[in-house]
Amino acid sequence: GEDVEQSLFLSVREGDSSVINCTYTDSSSTYLYWYKQEPGAGLQLLTYIFSNMDMKQDQRLTVLLNKKDKHLSLRIADTQTGDSAIYFCAETLNAGNNRKLIWGLGTSLAVNP
Amino acid sequence: GAVVSQHPSRVICKSGTSVKIECRSLDFQATTMFWYRQFPKQSLMLMATSNEGSKATYEQGVEKDKFLINHASLTLSTLTVTSAHPEDSSFYICSARSAGLNSYNEQFFGPGTRLTVL
Repeated sequence: GEDVEQSLFLSVREGDSSVINCTYTDSSSTYLYWYKQEPGAGLQLLTYIFSNMDMKQDQRLTVLLNKKDKHLSLRIADTQTGDSAIYFCAETLNAGNNRKLIWGLGTSLAVNP
Repeated sequence: GAVVSQHPSRVICKSGTSVKIECRSLDFQATTMFWYRQFPKQSLMLMATSNEGSKATYEQGVEKDKFLINHASLTLSTLTVTSAHPEDSSFYICSARSAGLNSYNEQFFGPGTRLTVL
């Protein structure tokens, strides 16, 4: 079955880089996403990558995709305290007429001053 | 653009009552809306997918008679938790997607509704 796995916790110092890793199982996923959830709030799309890309950079964010190993990572450069949140990896799953997202459990990022 | 609202943001009800949660796409037409449930420190669990004008598709294990979903217009979907019990207490999040909005099938999320059943 489909499954997305992430490490549950990551703690970094302010100014360091954070790397959050994710593995997925559905090789037919067309898009993979990183969402951010701050406490008590909804989810915000941080970035996404199309499955035929290896890397995508957007300001402080770098997404790396290894399709062979089904591994996705999110690197946050110069991590700030405002980056403290839960980060969810998600892949698209085509299910009949609907495309739905399969979610990881989320990685809780703690940024220490 | 692409804002999704939910109402109410927080609701407390007595066991046995029904609660309705609204999800609105404010500045786009949502051809598909999704309802999720999130337990503390856990991932999102997809409950159902609804396409405007048709019956919702429920995920395995989700009782359709318990969680009534209506997607009557392109900007509004409602989730009604019928005969709520304490185990229904959770954070309910909706999301909306528009077929024509972008190419990467993004879902836009509402801020969530915290339901507490006493």
